[in-house]
Amino acid sequence: EDKVVQSPLSLVVHEGDTVTLNCSYEVTNFRSLLWYKQEKKAPTFLFMLTSSGIEKKSGRLSSILDKKELFSILNITATQTGDSAIYLCAVVIQGAQKLVFGQGTRLTINP
Amino acid sequence: NAGVMQNPRHLVRRRGQEARLRCSPMKGHSHVYWYRQLPEEGLKFMVYLQKENIIDESGMPKERFSAEFPKEGPSILRIQQVVRGDSAAYFCASSPIQSNNSPLHFGNGTRLTVT
Repeated sequence: EDKVVQSPLSLVVHEGDTVTLNCSYEVTNFRSLLWYKQEKKAPTFLFMLTSSGIEKKSGRLSSILDKKELFSILNITATQTGDSAIYLCAVVIQGAQKLVFGQGTRLTINP
Repeated sequence: NAGVMQNPRHLVRRRGQEARLRCSPMKGHSHVYWYRQLPEEGLKFMVYLQKENIIDESGMPKERFSAEFPKEGPSILRIQQVVRGDSAAYFCASSPIQSNNSPLHFGNGTRLTVT
């Protein structure tokens, strides 16, 4: 069965800290990996990763994929209270029109 | 250019009633996906539809749940005889083509509460 596992499940840090969120996967036919941020409503798209070792960056957020070790990390530097959210990792299966999601990491940034 | 629109935002039903959730895809999109999110969990795939066709319903419970995407109008996710365990957030996403090459963008969801 295709599986995506995120860690930690919950993380509380102070504003200004740097955090690293982890996502590992075991799937039959990997195509790409996606990161989403979910506040109170819809998950909003952050990154799509297809190739190993190429860092994607957007402001204070960055992400990288390791297809040999089957994991991805999402880094957030100089965290702000607005970064508080659930961060979801999802894998796209080749040939299937669906995403397999991890259970999410709930990140709380305290002022 | 409106995104994926879902309604209602919140829906309360008593056990045994029917719930109908609607999803209007982005303009020009003909593919719709439904996902369910239970409390403190990630999203789980339910069904993938194109106009007038169900392509993949491997994530749909075998009973009480059905989905359609008619030629005209929104996609509908229908849950008959709801039970407490159906309480969840139901998200819809759409794409213009098969989604493998582009990320899915989700609507704001319908939060179903069964009392």
